[in-house]
Amino acid sequence: QLQLVESGGGVVQPGRSLRLSCTASGFSFSIYGMHWVRQAPGKGLEWVAVVPNDEISKSYADSVKGRFTISRDNSKNTVYLQMNSLRADDTAVYYCATGIGYYYDSWGQGTLVTVSS
Amino acid sequence: QSALTQPRSVSGSPGQSVTISCTGTSSDVGGYNYVSWYQQNPGKAPKFIIYDVSRRPSGVPDRFSGSKSGDTASLTISGLQAEDEADYYCFSYAGSSWVFGGGTKLTVL
Repeated sequence: QLQLVESGGGVVQPGRSLRLSCTASGFSFSIYGMHWVRQAPGKGLEWVAVVPNDEISKSYADSVKGRFTISRDNSKNTVYLQMNSLRADDTAVYYCATGIGYYYDSWGQGTLVTVSS
Repeated sequence: QSALTQPRSVSGSPGQSVTISCTGTSSDVGGYNYVSWYQQNPGKAPKFIIYDVSRRPSGVPDRFSGSKSGDTASLTISGLQAEDEADYYCFSYAGSSWVFGGGTKLTVL
């Protein structure tokens, strides 16, 4: 059974950094592109970043470009999101998500990141 | 990377049909047949209900259907049931990136 489990969320001060992890099981992780999606409290879903299976053509939302870095370790079935220079508007539940096509058929349960002084 | 445009809310009575629109541009919705739809209940992760514009995953009732015309995709829910009350999001591939719609709250009256 395909499963995605996020970790690493918490409360962090503005300007600081945080690294999220998402560990996958139950499928061939190395052949899937992996995404991060976030949802601010009471708001809609926002696509954040993708790392393809080849790690070559990573892509980011304009709102996080230059501050966030997505990466993956296929030996650990894990995708990461390094978040630097965090701002209050980065406060959200962060989900990792994946699918074999151009859609997400699997989501994690989410991890809450709160940026506050 | 502007969000796709969805109505903030729609409503319908049990048994009726509702349609949720999702308007983008030729760079996203209009340029690719890679629109998907997600249903989200409060406090839960989204669940995909339509992919590749109109394909339905196994286990999703055939009351849910998707279509696209030009830069606008649509999700139609027929035979509304109380359990359909949720937030719905469209999502599209946009070349080297992806974009969600702003979300639509469906109320079953």
